[in-house]
Amino acid sequence: KAGVTQTPRYLIKTRGQQVTLSCSPISGHRSVSWYQQTPGQGLQFLFEYFSETQRNKGNFPGRFSGRQFSNSRSEMNVSTLELGDSALYLCASSPDGQGAREQYFGPGTRLTVT
Amino acid sequence: GENVEQHPSTLSVQEGDSAVIKCTYSDSASNYFPWYKQELGKRPQLIIDIRSNVGEKKDQRIAVTLNKTAKHFSLHITETQPEDSAVYFCAAMRSSRNTPLVFGKGTRLSVIA
Repeated sequence: KAGVTQTPRYLIKTRGQQVTLSCSPISGHRSVSWYQQTPGQGLQFLFEYFSETQRNKGNFPGRFSGRQFSNSRSEMNVSTLELGDSALYLCASSPDGQGAREQYFGPGTRLTVT
Repeated sequence: GENVEQHPSTLSVQEGDSAVIKCTYSDSASNYFPWYKQELGKRPQLIIDIRSNVGEKKDQRIAVTLNKTAKHFSLHITETQPEDSAVYFCAAMRSSRNTPLVFGKGTRLSVIA
């Protein structure tokens, strides 16, 4: 099976702009989670989508939002970008079912806000 | 919610020695504990996981132990090699409640040849 893919891989934006990142999960996986990775902070959970519904949400401001489509592809949006939003954004997909929660990560989108 | 603490933040070992990374978790109901390895510039990859119904799991040079009473779990790497150099993340979750996976802040392991 093809792995998790993310587009774009690199992005440079200006403070105040908005950005949309895309994630295509492994075929058959219905859960997609998003994480923000910054040096020293590890992987901070943003949100999880399952069957087009947000199932979990982390402690991020409302400027961070997401959605999931019927084919399980997911997008996340960050509005009014701040310098502190510069990070690697990772998505991960996992199989359906409550027991099998292994997550498979995409390569990430490196966002730089100037 | 769940909180995962990971130690040490950095670890240097000589090639051939063993490395141990420890994590503690706060939610006694957590029952799934994966470990991820992230090499420089690459995505995190699952290397081993353990569920709460077992106390230890091994896969070649890698092993994970779980102490549910103390709420901690550890990653053991034996006979370390330079290619083991990476950042390792532990995580915990309640798989039965659809709660998110909560990660530790990571351990940067350097294996010195």
